[in-house]
Amino acid sequence: AQSVTQPDIHITVSEGASLELRCNYSYGATPYLFWYVQSPGQGLQLLLKYFSGDTLVQGIKGFEAEFKRSQSSFNLRKPSVHWSDAAEYFCAVGPPGFQKLVFGTGTRLLVSP
Amino acid sequence: EAGVTQFPSHSVIEKGQTVTLRCDPISGHDNLYWYRRVMGKEIKFLLHFVKESKQDESGMPNNRFLAERTGGTYSTLKVQPAELEDSGVYFCASSQGGQGRQETQYFGPGTRLLVL
Repeated sequence: AQSVTQPDIHITVSEGASLELRCNYSYGATPYLFWYVQSPGQGLQLLLKYFSGDTLVQGIKGFEAEFKRSQSSFNLRKPSVHWSDAAEYFCAVGPPGFQKLVFGTGTRLLVSP
Repeated sequence: EAGVTQFPSHSVIEKGQTVTLRCDPISGHDNLYWYRRVMGKEIKFLLHFVKESKQDESGMPNNRFLAERTGGTYSTLKVQPAELEDSGVYFCASSQGGQGRQETQYFGPGTRLLVL
């Protein structure tokens, strides 16, 4: 069965520090991979996605993610965190063909001054 | 271009009552999905429409949940009768259809349902 693991439920990072959020997945083939963010009171916003090609993907708000097939991982990174990045981040996988997404449990990011 | 919209944003009902959630997808998107997040858990798939047809309803919890998408535009999700465990955030998403099209799902803001 498909599954997504986000091992960190909460992460606290100082403003200006770098960030890495972990995501591992279990899937029979290479799925489509996504990172979404939910800010307080908001819906889910797509940060970035990987379908194929270059394994380093750039997204909005200065985020990037790297697909590593050998590790079944798709970790999200940002070189310098801003206070406005405080939110909950969700990793999701899905098969090609407009099908359902499987989500991880989310990582809540807190940004300290 | 307007995004996915959902109504209401919040709903508080008593156990045994009926609630109907509405989702308006992005214009022109053939695919419409419903997901749910109960507190502290992951976001889980409920069902998928392609135009007005149910493509996959494997995630629907039980027959108290009824989803419709008349005319292939907006969709409704009715819970009748509501139980305490139905509380959570219900998300709707949409994506384009057709071969070679973008398969990215765009999500709405969600409806926060609380059953007392």
